[in-house]
Amino acid sequence: GAVVSQHPSWVICKSGTSVKIECRSLDFQATTMFWYRQFPKQSLMLMATSNEGSKATYEQGVEKDKFLINHASLTLSTLTVTSAHPEDSSFYICSATMGGRALEQYFGPGTRLTVT
Amino acid sequence: AQTVTQSQPEMSVQEAETVTLSCTYDTSESDYYLFWYKQPPSRQMILVIRQEAYKQQNATENRFSVNFQKAAKSFSLKISDSQLGDAAMYFCAYRSANMGGSEKLVFGKGTKLTVNP
Repeated sequence: GAVVSQHPSWVICKSGTSVKIECRSLDFQATTMFWYRQFPKQSLMLMATSNEGSKATYEQGVEKDKFLINHASLTLSTLTVTSAHPEDSSFYICSATMGGRALEQYFGPGTRLTVT
Repeated sequence: AQTVTQSQPEMSVQEAETVTLSCTYDTSESDYYLFWYKQPPSRQMILVIRQEAYKQQNATENRFSVNFQKAAKSFSLKISDSQLGDAAMYFCAYRSANMGGSEKLVFGKGTKLTVNP
């Protein structure tokens, strides 16, 4: 149980276009979802925290107008990279928690974004 | 703000041997949770072990155990009988346990573990 999926697993897009990444909790309701960015050989950097039905909370230095997060339901959150540029190329990972006293974050398999 | 430090960028161990990965953290909170995550080449994050700060007993999960020293703010991971499949990046992480506090994880920079046959 407690599976999180991401789609697509990899995507290539042209500079200036937008790309949407989906994060789904398959067998549980995720009250909170997190979006991370990971550069090669580096740690996970938290970008934002989203709760179902409310606006995402972005970490300092993350452009909220560039990285649009929508947590429309208890099983789906989306990250849209708008007007993507080569420097946005990275590995994006989402995670989800069941909320309440549940401690564990369940991670998706990640999405590799390449902007050409 | 809380910080997590992993001072060993890389470690190596011989198959079947034991290795210890270090982690220290800084916090002013008294109640929190600590985690070790494994990220193999597939890049899927996998929870290895979890420790509640209020528990004095060190957590153990099969070949994985921790040495939790709350006063020293140290949380090391010991892997016994290392296997080739243990080769991965290992991340130490902190989470607040305060009611109404953030659920977000604070990660260290990671330690790359190589297991030699």
